[in-house]
Parts: sequence; C-alpha cells; structure tokens
Amino acid sequence: NFMLTQSHSVSESPGKTVTISCTRSSGSIASNYVQWYQQRPGSAPTTVIYENNKRLSEIPDRFSGSIDSSSNSASLTISGLKTEDEADYYCQSYDGDILVFGGGTKLTVL
Amino acid sequence: QVYVMESGGGVVQPGRSLRLSCASSGFTFRYYAMNWVRQAPGKGLQWVALISYDGSNEYYAESVKGRFTISRDNSKNTLFLQMNSLRVDDTAVYYCVRGIMVTISRPGSNPWGPGTMVTVSS
Repeated sequence: NFMLTQSHSVSESPGKTVTISCTRSSGSIASNYVQWYQQRPGSAPTTVIYENNKRLSEIPDRFSGSIDSSSNSASLTISGLKTEDEADYYCQSYDGDILVFGGGTKLTVL
Repeated sequence: QVYVMESGGGVVQPGRSLRLSCASSGFTFRYYAMNWVRQAPGKGLQWVALISYDGSNEYYAESVKGRFTISRDNSKNTLFLQMNSLRVDDTAVYYCVRGIMVTISRPGSNPWGPGTMVTVSS
C-alpha cells in the first residue's frame, strides 16, 4: 500500500502558471498510471489528465501532466490561469487495480 | 458518448440498507474493472470498493468490509452497491468510477457521473 500526498492549497493570479504536486509514499510513481481530476464547487469531478500526461480534446492545452521519478511525484501544471480554473484538484493512481487518491489541493485564482 | 449514471441514493436511518446502481454507456463495460468512490460532505474522494471485469474478484475498503457488497451485470452494463448496516459516517455522494481495461491494462479517461447522495440519519 502507498499514499499520495498533495499540498492542501495553492493560490495564484490570473494569467500565471501553477504546478500542483502529488508525491507517492512508496513504490515508483512510474509503476502505475496517474490521473488528475478537477472538482468545481458543487459539481462532480471531471478528468483533466489521464495516463500521466494525456488530455481529451475538450480539455484546454493549458493543462498538462507529468511524472518525475527523481522526486517520485506527479505534477499537474496549469498555465494562463483563468478564474474558472478555481477548483479542487485530486491526483489518483492504482495499487494493483485499487484506486488510491491524494487528499486534494484547493486552487484559488485571485 | 461515454457516460455513467448513478442512482438509488436517499435518506435512510442508521442500520438500514440501500442499493445503488450505476448505468453505463459508450464503452465496453465488460472489459473494465469498476469501482465505487465516495465523498463525504466537505471531504476528499475515498475509494470504497472494486470489482474485476468479470465479477470474479471484489475488494473493499476496511471501513465498509462486511457491510457493503459490490456486484455487476455485464449483460446490462450496470454496476451495483448493496449497502447494509448503514452508519452515519457512510453519509456521502457515491460515484461509480471506471477502472482499468483488462485487455490493454490501461484506464483511459474516466467518465464521471453526477453521483448519488446517501444520507444516513435518524
């Protein structure tokens, strides 16, 4: 078993770039795919990044995902921040087939 | 269009039972493991249960083991969660979440439904 740790909150100004990190406690981050979900207040989550770094066509290319084996972490980077990006962001990976979630990061765009 | 749609939530007293359903469409349901995930009010996402693509294996979070049962009907592209002996701390929005595709061992982009709210209260 492993845990995924995210910072509790982050804030940045519109137009800037923000990176949200997700650190895996044991085992290699590269061993299992990482997904990223966005959850706006009062709404269900939506998938913004899947399989570490892929986006569906409806997700703006301002969103990108990566993994870094040296820090054993995954990152979600959002460039050209917009107020509509304000949301909670969750990383998720797999322990076998079981889903493991990070605790979520609240992004404030002000 | 790929989608999942949960149903069956409601208000129930502690100790009672509830059965959730999740209808899916737009993907080959029988090829994917499926999960239930919940979110208590103001809290993060918590994995609850997993069933393998063919229903032969089930896994549960410790907090629900022995009380909840996950099942599926591949002929109807539907996932279920039978919840017995409900407790106040089971109160949450419940989501069905697609898992890993057995044939290529990849998850793809998970579709999320609106979830179904379960409130356990006396």
